[in-house]
Amino acid sequence: NAGVTQTPKFRVLKTGQSMTLLCAQDMNHEYMYWYRQDPGMGLRLIHYSVGEGTTAKGEVPDGYNVSRLKKQNFLLGLESAAPSQTSVYFCASRPRDRVWNEQFFGPGTRLTVL
Amino acid sequence: AQSVTQLDSHVSVSEGTPVLLRCNYSSSYSPSLFWYVQHPNKGLQLLLKYTSAATLVKGINGFEAEFKKSETSFHLTKPSAHMSDAAEYFCVVTSGYSSASKIIFGSGTRLSIRP
Repeated sequence: NAGVTQTPKFRVLKTGQSMTLLCAQDMNHEYMYWYRQDPGMGLRLIHYSVGEGTTAKGEVPDGYNVSRLKKQNFLLGLESAAPSQTSVYFCASRPRDRVWNEQFFGPGTRLTVL
Repeated sequence: AQSVTQLDSHVSVSEGTPVLLRCNYSSSYSPSLFWYVQHPNKGLQLLLKYTSAATLVKGINGFEAEFKKSETSFHLTKPSAHMSDAAEYFCVVTSGYSSASKIIFGSGTRLSIRP
């Protein structure tokens, strides 16, 4: 049982390049989330999904796209990277919504955009 | 509307002394409250959660938190700090009604432990 895994762990991009971050969970959770973490700002929600084939925008969705073709995977795409997207990205999953259900987090992806 | 405020961005204590990390919340509905810990270059790990079963919640590594509705607080405490407690701590509140997106994070408190 690996929990939540993220690929890659580190990445450096040039402005304008594209990339996809992969999140995978083996806990059969319905809900999945993508966050970015910047110093002094806590975690901010980018996009989330309540099930296979469904996605929704969070607090800071601009410049990102997501897909959830399989229940266990949640992909985050950057079509044209910008320096403002330099951040640490965390994926999380959660069982079907009960307010007391906690999220399970991946180890993070550190992205630098030059 | 709901929100969460962590009152200190940085707390420094000596090893062996008590730890207090403060969190105040605002919620229109009965909240669920969580504390997560993040060690350097790691993901977030659940410390404890309040789900209305008991106001004093015990978590891992000797941490506990008390839900005080009258003060809208959920402060995290530990009687005796250990060097391994040095980390970032996040207070989180969720809505009383079902919604995948209504999970609000505080801005975090960095805990430093002096030898």
